[in-house]
Amino acid sequence: NAGVTQTPKFRILKIGQSMTLQCAQDMNHNYMYWYRQDPGMGLKLIYYSVGAGITDKGEVPNGYNVSRSTTEDFPLRLELAAPSQTSVYFCASSYSGPRSSYNSPLHFGNGTRLTVT
Amino acid sequence: GESVGLHLPTLSVQEGDNSIINCAYSNSASDYFIWYKQESGKGPQFIIDIRSNMDKRQGQRVTVLLNKTVKHLSLQIAATQPGDSAVYFCAEKGAGAGSYQLTFGKGTKLSVIP
Repeated sequence: NAGVTQTPKFRILKIGQSMTLQCAQDMNHNYMYWYRQDPGMGLKLIYYSVGAGITDKGEVPNGYNVSRSTTEDFPLRLELAAPSQTSVYFCASSYSGPRSSYNSPLHFGNGTRLTVT
Repeated sequence: GESVGLHLPTLSVQEGDNSIINCAYSNSASDYFIWYKQESGKGPQFIIDIRSNMDKRQGQRVTVLLNKTVKHLSLQIAATQPGDSAVYFCAEKGAGAGSYQLTFGKGTKLSVIP
C-alpha cells in the first residue's frame, strides 16, 4: 500500500490564483481530513469527510473548498489564494471516524508546501 | 476553549538514555489520545495511542502514560537513538457531541546527541 499520497509536494502561487491540492489513499478508509500546519504550531483541521459525497467544516475552513466523489480521493481547492494561506497542508485518513466507539489513528501524507506571494 | 499543550518545546537527550516528553490537556472529557512523530519534511507518523480507560500502554521502546487526575500525558522512549530525533505531537479527542476532530499540541523537538 502507498498509504496517503499528496501532490504536488511544493507550489508557489500568486495572490488571487487558484489551485487544487490532491490527496489519494489506498487503504479503503472512510474518513479523510485536511489539516494545515503553520511554523511552530500544531495541526489545524480545515475540512473532513466521513465518506464519499459527505464533507464537513473543521476549525479553519474559510478560503477552502473540498469534494469527495470517491472513497479514495479528497481534493482541497483554494479559489483565491491569500498570503495567510501560506502553510504546509497535510491530508490524512482513518479507518473509522472520530465519533465512533472504535478509535483509530490518522494516517498522514507527506504534505504540500504552499507559498502565496 | 479546550487546548492541548506541551511543557517543553525542546528536549536534548544523550544517545542511549531514556526520553520523556510531556503533554498537558485541559479537556477532561477527552477519551482518546495519540502521540505522533514528525521528521523534517514528512507528515506526522503514528507512534502509539491510549484510551481514557487505561493509564499505561506499551509499544516497542515506547510507553505512554495517562494521568487523568492531573490531565497529563507523557511519552517515554527507551534507549533513545539518533533516528528518534524529530518533533513529537500529542493529540486528544473529546468524547460526546462535537468531538469530531483531534486537537493537536504545538510539538516538542527531540534532539539526540550521539
